[in-house]
Amino acid sequence: GDSVTQMEGPVTLSEEAFLTINCTYTATGYPSLFWYVQYPGEGLQLLLKATKADDKGSNKGFEATYRKETTSFHLEKGSVQVSDSAVYFCALSPSYNQGGKLIFGQGTELSVKP
Amino acid sequence: GAGVSQSPRYKVAKRGQDVALRCDPISGHVSLFWYQQALGQGPEFLTYFQNEAQLDKSGLPSDRFFAERPEGSVSTLKIQRTQQEDSAVYLCASSLTGQPQPQHFGDGTRLSIL
Repeated sequence: GDSVTQMEGPVTLSEEAFLTINCTYTATGYPSLFWYVQYPGEGLQLLLKATKADDKGSNKGFEATYRKETTSFHLEKGSVQVSDSAVYFCALSPSYNQGGKLIFGQGTELSVKP
Repeated sequence: GAGVSQSPRYKVAKRGQDVALRCDPISGHVSLFWYQQALGQGPEFLTYFQNEAQLDKSGLPSDRFFAERPEGSVSTLKIQRTQQEDSAVYLCASSLTGQPQPQHFGDGTRLSIL
């Protein structure tokens, strides 16, 4: 079945460092891809999305490109801030499921130190 | 505007008891989803409604789990004869329609079974 695999955390970075969180997926057809973020004490929030191959999603300085050839959707940010500390979830919505249910990775915790 | 509201925020029950978890979606959102999130894991899909119709219940782990949305707005997830492995955070999400519309998540109900 469809699945998402993320790099294990926790990831600890210093402020202004470059961030990459790897995400790969297994799916039939052309799923939509998402990154959700969960800040401490808060609910899941959509960070960015991409709905077709080669699309780039971006928001708040974060970017991810839908790579069909490598089945990847890696999250990047050029310069992280302490306020970016959170748990990040990669997710897909299967193309065969028009309802739009999400299949999540296990999450990657990011801790940014001043 | 108001987001997705879930109640209660915390629920403690003894093994064997029945519990009911409530979700108030964003007004006008057609689609409603329930997910189960175990500690340290990503959310796992349970069931999906489009208006009052339950179109996908493939993720419900057993026949002890039952969800309803009788008037196409508020939804209730009921767990009968609870067991310890039911302990988790239960998340509700809503969206305007199906994919690829983003899902808006509530803060969840943390269920602990003693």
